[in-house]
Amino acid sequence: QSVLTQPPSASGTPGQTVTISCSGSSSHIGSNTVNWYQQLPGTAPKLLIYSNNQRPSGVPDRFSGSKSGTSASLAISGLQSEDEADYYCAAWDDSLNGPVFGGGTKLTVL
Amino acid sequence: QVQLQESGPGLVKPSQTLSLTCTVSGGSISSDSYYWSWIRQPAGKGLEWIGRLYPSGSTNYSPSLKSRVTISLDTSRNRFSLKLSSVTAADTAVYYCARGAATGTMRLDPWGQGTLVTVSS
Repeated sequence: QSVLTQPPSASGTPGQTVTISCSGSSSHIGSNTVNWYQQLPGTAPKLLIYSNNQRPSGVPDRFSGSKSGTSASLAISGLQSEDEADYYCAAWDDSLNGPVFGGGTKLTVL
Repeated sequence: QVQLQESGPGLVKPSQTLSLTCTVSGGSISSDSYYWSWIRQPAGKGLEWIGRLYPSGSTNYSPSLKSRVTISLDTSRNRFSLKLSSVTAADTAVYYCARGAATGTMRLDPWGQGTLVTVSS
């Protein structure tokens, strides 16, 4: 069972906006920034959002992140078929002294 | 552009030691700005952090694996390694190495492509 809680699945049609939630506690999300990773089928995870809402170079601005208290969200606007992937939230855990991950959300583009 | 590549045996017998290496190219493993980490992912499941190593030699390990894990650095070859002892079938997973930002966001980027390790007799 993962430390951070994500819905196991999400879906949307092309062009729609989809939001994926991630909830945790004060020892991780509540006191540290949240990162999001995208894992396309059969590939390694890739950093998608860092520091709650920052996009690495090359990540389209269709992807955005936010955080409030002990929860965070990833929004994908203008959904495209190539966005079909697993999405993981992560945050530093002060107790673990390491990162903890959500269980992942499988996004399906209908 | 920094790239990471895992290597090592794809099959390990139960009770033996899993040994993997991550070779870093395009950047120095000795930079104080980063740490080096191992993460694993069982088939169809989520990500599990194994541990990290700073260039100084300082390490942190997941409490659930701490008694069996060693991560070490080889600066002469610009690579770092993972050893996991007394493996069981539960250790079967894709193992990833990744670079972590040493301060602030602690983000993991980039990741290696991953290597599947199966524990079976």
